[in-house]
Amino acid sequence: SQQGEEDPQALSIQEGENATMNCSYKTSINNLQWYRQNSGRGLVHLILIRSNEREKHSGRLRVTLDTSKKSSSLLITASRAADTASYFCATDARRETSGSRLTFGEGTQLTVNP
Amino acid sequence: GAVVSQHPSRVICKSGTSVKIECRSLDFQATTMFWYRQFPKKSLMLMATSNEGSKATYEQGVEKDKFLINHASLTLSTLTVTSAHPEDSSFYICSAHPRARGSNFYEQYFGPGTRLTVT
Repeated sequence: SQQGEEDPQALSIQEGENATMNCSYKTSINNLQWYRQNSGRGLVHLILIRSNEREKHSGRLRVTLDTSKKSSSLLITASRAADTASYFCATDARRETSGSRLTFGEGTQLTVNP
Repeated sequence: GAVVSQHPSRVICKSGTSVKIECRSLDFQATTMFWYRQFPKKSLMLMATSNEGSKATYEQGVEKDKFLINHASLTLSTLTVTSAHPEDSSFYICSAHPRARGSNFYEQYFGPGTRLTVT
């Protein structure tokens, strides 16, 4: 299996609901990052959580990391139609290198219906 | 915020020709740039890591003679797809890692991507 696997692959919710996406990985990591990608566009960095952190917040985003289970979750609260996008987790296994080699998961396609 | 541009955004070329894609960091210097390939509804696959002034490091299975990477300056990396074939059609995305160390040391900044179609 590939490092960084998200589930679900697709998620459809109503505006105002919360969306939770999960990511699992296989090797030890230095940090884990979540990115967003609108259709046919580049990636936008959302949040980074280090291996010694368990939870991090940024606006309506909440990320958790459980290194014992090698898993992370991204929660988007009070979703909006504009949150519709693909969300990827990416793991970084290197330490203190000039440029991190990221391994991306398969992504979750989130659709928020107005 | 850090901005990375790619040019062109879309390109259509004939089979057998070569195509060059540029990746520029607009407001910061990038020690390292990365090139990814993404198939429809799929994840990003790292192709190669490009360090300024040195040869690129290619991932396993990526042909270095087919995907030529040049990182001539701290703000520009180019990917040239040589003798393109229809199976090279894909979305190519670059990212750049800032030279300056700071709180965002581990972040990469992504370009908007280039859609390559080989006919």
